Order: sequence, then structure tokens, then C-alpha cells
Amino acid sequence: GENVEQHPSTLSVQEGDSAVIKCTYSDSASNYFPWYKQELGKGPQLIIDIRSNVGEKKDQRIAVTLNKTAKHFSLHITETQPEDSAVYFCASGENSGYALNFGKGTSLLVTP
Amino acid sequence: GAVVSQHPSWVICKSGTSVKIECRSLDFQATTMFWYRQFPKQSLMLMATSNEGSKATYEQGVEKDKFLINHASLTLSTLTVTSAHPEDSSFYICSASPTSGAYNEQFFGPGTRLTVL
Repeated sequence: GENVEQHPSTLSVQEGDSAVIKCTYSDSASNYFPWYKQELGKGPQLIIDIRSNVGEKKDQRIAVTLNKTAKHFSLHITETQPEDSAVYFCASGENSGYALNFGKGTSLLVTP
Repeated sequence: GAVVSQHPSWVICKSGTSVKIECRSLDFQATTMFWYRQFPKQSLMLMATSNEGSKATYEQGVEKDKFLINHASLTLSTLTVTSAHPEDSSFYICSASPTSGAYNEQFFGPGTRLTVL
């Protein structure tokens, strides 16, 4: 089955700095790559996603890049704020109706 | 849009009793819903895939007779933990995939914290 590796497992940055989280996947059939933010005691929240026909997508301070050849995708958060502190999960998926494959998560801490 | 609710948000029960957790897509229809459990500081572990009007597909190692899943409508799936034991204590989260979605978008509920005494 699909294997999604996520790095780093923990990341600490100062407020205002950028944070980058990287994921790799193994199944070349994967065509959908979402990122989720999970705060303590809550369910994951979809923050951004990218399809396989796009190399980059940006939404305000958040951006995701995809390199299909290398089978890796990354989440970039600029101008980090303390409220960005959470666990971030990357995932990969194929067709609608099938389960996503999740990375192990990155615990991001943004210190004031 | 794309809101998923879960009920209850937390539940405490005695060992041997059954607990039902509801997952609802509030503003979209979901042919497929997924059930996960999550242990502290770990990733999401898929338990089963639930398709409206058909039997759920369980992941290897998940007992289908213990974790009963029903997906009777396009907006509701339920997970019943039967004869619960302390080792079943966990955070259970559902997700729903919009029927009209072209890609594999999934939206998660807020989760249900189950504690079995």
C-alpha cells in the first residue's frame, strides 16, 4: 500500500519565521495531496490541498508545492503566528471514495 | 461549508456496555464516510470505510463484530463500540467525502473521546 513519510516530527520556530514540512509518497497513482491541521482535542481541519496537475498552490500565508517526479510535496507557512502551533498531517489519495494515506504528523510550535 | 459533526463529543461508560457515536455531514451529502481512531501523539489509524447503503469495509485487525458501522443515509454514519473494554478508550474521528467531489476531499468531524472504565 501507499507509504507517506513526513518530516520533521517536531518543529519549533520563532514567531514571524517560516516553517516548512515535507512529505514523500510512494504510489505514482496518487493524485490528491491535502494538508490538515489538528489542534489538541479536536478533529483535523483541511487547510490546503493540491491536485497532481498543479505544481504549487497558495492561500495567504500557506503554500503547498508538489514535485510529481520526485514524489514529494511540502507545506510552507510564512510569517508564523503562535496560533499556528498544532500538529500538521500530510496525506495522499487517489480516486474519490478511497481512504487517504496519512503521514505521522509534525508538531509545530511557534514561540512568541 | 463542508461541516461534519460528531455526537457525543465525549462519553464515559462502564466496561461491557455499548456506545454509539454519530457522524453527520451537515451541508453536503457523503456517499463515503471513514472512521478513524487516534491514540495520544499518534497519527490517524483508519478503522473502516463506510459506504451508504452497503456494508462497511474494515481494515485488517479491526473486529467488525465489535465495531459496528451503519451508513443508512447520505448524511449519517454511526459507529457502535460493542462490549467496550478499557483498551477501547481512544479518540474516534470520522470523516466524510462529498458525493459531488471530483477528488478525494475528506472533511473531518471534531472527534469523540471515549473512556471505558
